[in-house]
Amino acid sequence: EPEVTQTPSHQVTQMGQEVILRCVPISNHLYFYWYRQILGQKVEFLVSFYNNEISEKSEIFDDQFSVERPDGSNFTLKIRSTKLEDSAMYFCASRKQGGRSPLHFGNGTRLTVT
Amino acid sequence: AQKITQTQPGMFVQEKEAVTLDCTYDTSDPSYGLFWYKQPSSGEMIFLIYQGSYDQQNATEGRYSLNFQKARKSANLVISASQLGDSAMYFCAMRGDSGVGSYQLTFGKGTKLSVIP
Repeated sequence: EPEVTQTPSHQVTQMGQEVILRCVPISNHLYFYWYRQILGQKVEFLVSFYNNEISEKSEIFDDQFSVERPDGSNFTLKIRSTKLEDSAMYFCASRKQGGRSPLHFGNGTRLTVT
Repeated sequence: AQKITQTQPGMFVQEKEAVTLDCTYDTSDPSYGLFWYKQPSSGEMIFLIYQGSYDQQNATEGRYSLNFQKARKSANLVISASQLGDSAMYFCAMRGDSGVGSYQLTFGKGTKLSVIP
């Protein structure tokens, strides 16, 4: 069964550095998302992306964050200048057209900012 | 604003028994969807089951069923014949009706299920 793949599985970076988290959504999916989960806390919505543009973003998704779909397969989340509080598990997700279609999540990238 | 409440931080169940994980929700959207996801210790999020607010019947997927009581705003997950591999964190989530392309899921805090041999 096709799945969402995320790389790397674990990224360690120093505060102030830029990081790029990569995702390959399921090939026939049209909608793409980033969520994050700080350790022990709820899963939180960051951003949704459709038709090559951001369709919705949360308050967490400030100017330090950006998303891109540079080609037909990859979907990236960039954090320009990481902060300690950015340490979390970041999940990419995608879904097909249709309100009933569920989000399919990747295995996540654990980001540790030191 | 939408809200999901999972009141059971942890649950234990004997292998082969059934277990119900509670979920209540609050929303002002007339149309919405409810999801359950499983998160094993390895961290991935696995979709289990979906219930639409206008669905006439409760959703079922194999050993998973959703006890949807719209008037009570509850969407409890029932796992029948529990297996050791069911030990995981379970999240209830809701999608509102907020426009094309928008699919912001609101998650609950989760319930940690432990299956005892």
